[in-house]
Amino acid sequence: NAGVMQNPRHLVRRRGQEARLRCSPMKGHSHVYWYRQLPEEGLKFMVYLQKENIIDESGMPKERFSAEFPKEGPSILRIQQVVRGDSAAYFCASSLRGTSGLTGELFFGEGSRLTVL
Amino acid sequence: GQQLNQSPQSMFIQEGEDVSMNCTSSSIFNTWLWYKQEPGEGPVLLIALYKAGELTSNGRLTAQFGITRKDSFLNISASIPSDVGIYFCAGITSGTYKYIFGTGTRLKVLA
Repeated sequence: NAGVMQNPRHLVRRRGQEARLRCSPMKGHSHVYWYRQLPEEGLKFMVYLQKENIIDESGMPKERFSAEFPKEGPSILRIQQVVRGDSAAYFCASSLRGTSGLTGELFFGEGSRLTVL
Repeated sequence: GQQLNQSPQSMFIQEGEDVSMNCTSSSIFNTWLWYKQEPGEGPVLLIALYKAGELTSNGRLTAQFGITRKDSFLNISASIPSDVGIYFCAGITSGTYKYIFGTGTRLKVLA
């Protein structure tokens, strides 16, 4: 499967625990985006990363949330000390070029659904 | 954050009918993307548009990049039950990297 791979698909955590969501972009893509989606709502931008660099994290809460995209391995979205309000679907998307025009399209993974008890 | 205005918010239509939805923005975009999302799944890219006035088809789906570059339209002809889902538009400005997403159009098809 050459698509964007996310895992886990479903994750249940108790309040105060940590959640780690992983994303492997499409082959050849070095631009990764994370989006958050609440039920019946649209996609809200969280963070944009290129290999080893965070380019824009303006949509990510400053506390408890962090993201990385190391030189080797998947991108990780980490949520520390989860609260009930963190329950949502988290989608990763990757792009070949990270800009407009051909080769700039976003391709999404199936998402990771976090439930905080 | 900034979002596109997408309308209608939801539609209930009979199987076989045609569907139209649109997105409007206060900003000029250089690329428009249309996605479909089914329950429990990620958004799937349907059509990409790169030039003002461009009309592109993908099977029964046709999308247009508005002449003003501030809007885009998606039409589905002869709808079928599997067209059910949420349709999102997304736009991006040249030189930037952040796509702005519409609020979605929820489509339900009655057999």
